[in-house]
Amino acid sequence: QKEVEQDPGPLSVPEGAIVSLNCTYSNSAFQYFMWYRQYSRKGPELLMYTYSSGNKEDGRFTAQVDKSSKYISLFIRDSQPSDSATYLCAMSPRVFGNEKLTFGTGTRLTIIP
Amino acid sequence: EAQVTQNPRYLITVTGKKLTVTCSQNMNHEYMSWYRQDPGLGLRQIYYSMNVEVTDKGDVPEGYKVSRKEKRNFPLILESPSPNQTSLYFCASSPYFGTGDSNQPQHFGDGTRLSIL
Repeated sequence: QKEVEQDPGPLSVPEGAIVSLNCTYSNSAFQYFMWYRQYSRKGPELLMYTYSSGNKEDGRFTAQVDKSSKYISLFIRDSQPSDSATYLCAMSPRVFGNEKLTFGTGTRLTIIP
Repeated sequence: EAQVTQNPRYLITVTGKKLTVTCSQNMNHEYMSWYRQDPGLGLRQIYYSMNVEVTDKGDVPEGYKVSRKEKRNFPLILESPSPNQTSLYFCASSPYFGTGDSNQPQHFGDGTRLSIL
């Protein structure tokens, strides 16, 4: 079993819809939770990151962490065609820094105009 | 502009011919790392470095070498490449020190696509 599981999709939704992306994990040592967006032929770019449990909001994006269920989510409101990309969740344990990042396999998202 | 720069972006080569992929960052970050990205497997860490002359293995280090002689550079070396090392490679960097909410996640380069025939 992988440490981090992520539905690969692909996921297609109409413009303006709310998108929900999810990851589950098995390692209870994970404390930092991140979402990266990756456009085709580009490197991953950080969207959101949270430490421990709870919610964090940034514009149209909301990240949720439920450590009791080992489940994290990224919600995108009012989705736009420019949101079409692959979304990667990533996690690391609470050590000195983030040297041991573990990634999900990514979910490919397409927003249909 | 703050960035992580990888070279080359694309390379096709043959089995056994030594190659080096360079990575350079201009943000004075202590921490640097190499990943490979494969379909269905996601991003997997190859090696990382917490500072100059300090390197350690990630999850898939076999067949790779790294060095960190300067803070800004972290080259990835394939001494004898094989076809199973055909992949998309990413270099990343971040400030190392920080705990709790001050921790700084990693910034990635745009990738190097390696094909080994």
